[in-house]
Amino acid sequence: DAGITQSPRHKVTETGTPVTLRCHQTENHRYMYWYRQDPGHGLRLIHYSYGVKDTDKGEVSDGYSVSRSKTEDFLLTLESATSSQTSVYFCAISESVTEAFFGQGTRLTVV
Amino acid sequence: AQSVTQPDIHITVSEGASLELRCNYSYGATPYLFWYVQSPGQGLQLLLKYFSGDTLVQGIKGFEAEFKRSQSSFNLRKPSVHWSDAAEYFCAVGVQTGANNLFFGTGTRLTVIP
Repeated sequence: DAGITQSPRHKVTETGTPVTLRCHQTENHRYMYWYRQDPGHGLRLIHYSYGVKDTDKGEVSDGYSVSRSKTEDFLLTLESATSSQTSVYFCAISESVTEAFFGQGTRLTVV
Repeated sequence: AQSVTQPDIHITVSEGASLELRCNYSYGATPYLFWYVQSPGQGLQLLLKYFSGDTLVQGIKGFEAEFKRSQSSFNLRKPSVHWSDAAEYFCAVGVQTGANNLFFGTGTRLTVIP
C-alpha cells in the first residue's frame, strides 16, 4: 500500500478520553490527509497537511486536531472522543494531483 | 462547491454480465476525476483517473470510464464482471485547494451473483 502504515488498526475507547491515530509514510510525499468513512457518507476529509507543520481543515474537522512534525508522520487527535466519532479512519498521501494512496484504515469505536 | 453523486447505493449483477456504475460531479473548473475500489476491510485502490485528453480512460482489472463534460458524468464500465469484482466503488473529484484534496461520492456496493 505505497508505504503507508496506520496505527493502531483497531481501537476501542471510552467517551471523553483522548485518542491519537498515527499515519506513517515511507514515500516522502508532500501531502498527507485524514479521512473518515461512514455508511451513506463515503469518505470525508477531516484535515490535511501540505508540509511539515503546515495543516488545514477539511469538511468535518470539528472535534479533531492534527500535527505533522516530520514529513513521514501525520497524527490525528481526538481530544475528547464522542460516540459520533466512531468510524473508520483512513490516511492518504499524495505528491501531486495525479494520485492519492490510502492506508489500510483504523477502526475506532467509542463506547 | 464541488460534489460527487453516485445515485446507485447497491447494484447486483450476474457474473459475466456487463456493468455500469454511474457518477455525476459538480465542479466549476476542469475536474480531475477518479474511481477507487474498496474490498471489505481494505483501503482504497485506484482503478483509473482522468485529467485531460481522451475522454475514454482505461484502468486496471479491465475497467474503463468515460468522461462526458456535457452531462457532468464519469461512469465506470466493465464488459464482463467477475466474482472478484464484488466490492464498493467510489467516484471522486480532485480539487487543488492548498493540497490535492479528493471529494468522494457515497459509494456503490457491487454484488456479483454466480
